[in-house]
Amino acid sequence: EAGVTQFPSHSVIEKGQTVTLRCDPISGHDNLYWYRRVMGKEIKFLLHFVKESKQDESGMPNNRFLAERTGGTYSTLKVQPAELEDSGVYFCASSQGLRLSRYNEQFFGPGTRLTVL
Amino acid sequence: AQSVTQLGSHVSVSEGALVLLRCNYSSSVPPYLFWYVQYPNQGLQLLLKYTTGATLVKGINGFEAEFKKSETSFHLTKPSAHMSDAAEYFCAVTILFSGGYNKLIFGAGTRLAVHP
Repeated sequence: EAGVTQFPSHSVIEKGQTVTLRCDPISGHDNLYWYRRVMGKEIKFLLHFVKESKQDESGMPNNRFLAERTGGTYSTLKVQPAELEDSGVYFCASSQGLRLSRYNEQFFGPGTRLTVL
Repeated sequence: AQSVTQLGSHVSVSEGALVLLRCNYSSSVPPYLFWYVQYPNQGLQLLLKYTTGATLVKGINGFEAEFKKSETSFHLTKPSAHMSDAAEYFCAVTILFSGGYNKLIFGAGTRLAVHP
């Protein structure tokens, strides 16, 4: 079974440009999460989808970030326009749907390293 | 509110020596605790987790961690370090929400170096 995949693995853009990151979750996983790690800091939650709906976007830094999950499959995270402080590694994770046990393990992708110059 | 503190951003050990990576958490409810590892150029991989039950949990590659509620700690150990253990390790606690999803709160990470 394929794991969580992310594209691209690296992206280098200039300040003010637009970048779109893509995440393909494990097939059948209803929950999809985005996290970000800015250089040397902790990995921080950005947002969470349940199928195509945004369940929690409390971690999104500002309105330059737009996440979508059309059809409840893959997700995109667009940064427009990019700023220097957006540089970091963006991780995607997915987990199964609702279960009685309440805890659903998150499986992480390899991340996209974004560098804004 | 939940939070995680990892003591030591860099730890260096000799091959064959004990590995001890420290993690303390803060949580207003019984926590679920995790250790993840990131090898160079790879994604985050779950090493082990504590949810309920036995407080000493064993993970992959010979790692284990003990949940100590009185100390609010979840330190990661391995009796004998191997060169292949060189990686960055992240401690995390989860916030559980009704509806079966959870949000991970991570520490800042500890980079482990293993030298011959």
